[in-house]
Amino acid sequence: GAVVSQHPSWVICKSGTSVKIECRSLDFQATTMFWYRQFPKQSLMLMATSNEGSKATYEQGVEKDKFLINHASLTLSTLTVTSAHPEDSSFYICSARDRSGYNEQFFGPGTRLTVL
Amino acid sequence: AQSVSQHNHHVILSEAASLELGCNYSYGGTVNLFWYVQYPGQHLQLLLKYFSGDPLVKGIKGFEAEFIKSKFSFNLRKPSVQWSDTAEYFCAVIPTDSWGKLQFGSGTQVVVTP
Repeated sequence: GAVVSQHPSWVICKSGTSVKIECRSLDFQATTMFWYRQFPKQSLMLMATSNEGSKATYEQGVEKDKFLINHASLTLSTLTVTSAHPEDSSFYICSARDRSGYNEQFFGPGTRLTVL
Repeated sequence: AQSVSQHNHHVILSEAASLELGCNYSYGGTVNLFWYVQYPGQHLQLLLKYFSGDPLVKGIKGFEAEFIKSKFSFNLRKPSVQWSDTAEYFCAVIPTDSWGKLQFGSGTQVVVTP
């Protein structure tokens, strides 16, 4: 089956530093990847849509200069949280949709970010 | 506003009991419908999906869901739950004009007691 990995699985950083999270589709090519944020006991909130070779599109209220997304290849998208602050602490989840065009997304295991 | 609603936030039931989780959406037109499960400490997994055809969809682990277009509903069912079904369940919808973006419901925490 389709497998999506994320790295790191958890990260702790100091306030003001930047953190990069990788999302990889391991056995399929993903033209589109999505980045979500999940707060404790809450649902997933879509942050942005990442399309290979083009700029990401951000949901309303998501700061594109703070959450930098790069989708450099058909198997890799990265999310960089710049100048992280404690309120950015959250669970970040990516998903990938394969090239077949069917609307099924495969989810990564998530990355727990804690900003001190 | 268009949305996905899960009516039960928490459900507690005993093993062997039947489970039904409600999901309603407010998008018009054609939609793709999904149920995902998130076991404690694990990532989201797809339980089942509906794109078209038979409105009664069977998924993994004995789950099924029924799409009722007139009611804008996609309720999840399992006739007899097990302790291992303890998890968070999310209903999700992809409206046709959303460029494939999943809209999630708020989730239902299900606890199955032995």
